[in-house]
Amino acid sequence: EVQLVESGGGLVQPGRSLRLSCTASGFTFGDHSMSWFRQAPGKGLEWVGFIRNKASGGTIEYAASVKGRFTISRDDSKSIAYLQMNSLRTEDTGVYYCTRGYSSPSYWGQGTLVTVSS
Amino acid sequence: EIVLTQSPGTLSLSPGERATLSCRASQSVSSNSLAWYQQKPGQAPRLLIYGASSRATALPDRFSGSGSGTDFTLTISRLEPEDFAVYYCQQYANSPRTFGQGTRLEIK
Repeated sequence: EVQLVESGGGLVQPGRSLRLSCTASGFTFGDHSMSWFRQAPGKGLEWVGFIRNKASGGTIEYAASVKGRFTISRDDSKSIAYLQMNSLRTEDTGVYYCTRGYSSPSYWGQGTLVTVSS
Repeated sequence: EIVLTQSPGTLSLSPGERATLSCRASQSVSSNSLAWYQQKPGQAPRLLIYGASSRATALPDRFSGSGSGTDFTLTISRLEPEDFAVYYCQQYANSPRTFGQGTRLEIK
């Protein structure tokens, strides 16, 4: 069974950093690209970015709203995808989801809540 | 960036009725790279439709997707109580991936 479990969320002050992890199981992690999405409280879904698998070049793309502040990486030996978030802003508050794939993902984690507030 | 506009914002219907949700793109979505998701409170989104009209695994056949170019539709033929939720369309033809603002399907 495919499982994605996000962790690392919490309360953080504006300007600080946080790293989210997405631990995968039930499939060959290295064969798949991984994506991050987020959802502000009471709002719609927003794409954050994705990282392709090595066979597809391992390239990474980001939404304009996070480019230069967020970094997506992966450790295929541990089956974990990461989202390093620096220079956090109040508008980064929301639930962050990781997904398998970068087109129309069918597997989503349960999400982890990030709250940016002083 | 492709902007997706969903209508209506809220749809009030009764179980057993037919629901028609619309998603319009600001430019043509190549290869019909459009998906639909259902989201219930406190849950992650659930993929329903990809490629504009292909049903996700195990999706009941009362759900169907159609359309091409800039106009896409999600139809639920006979609403069941568990279908009342928020629905999003998403394009994955290019980056940035974008979503519509959502349609809330509520019980009348």
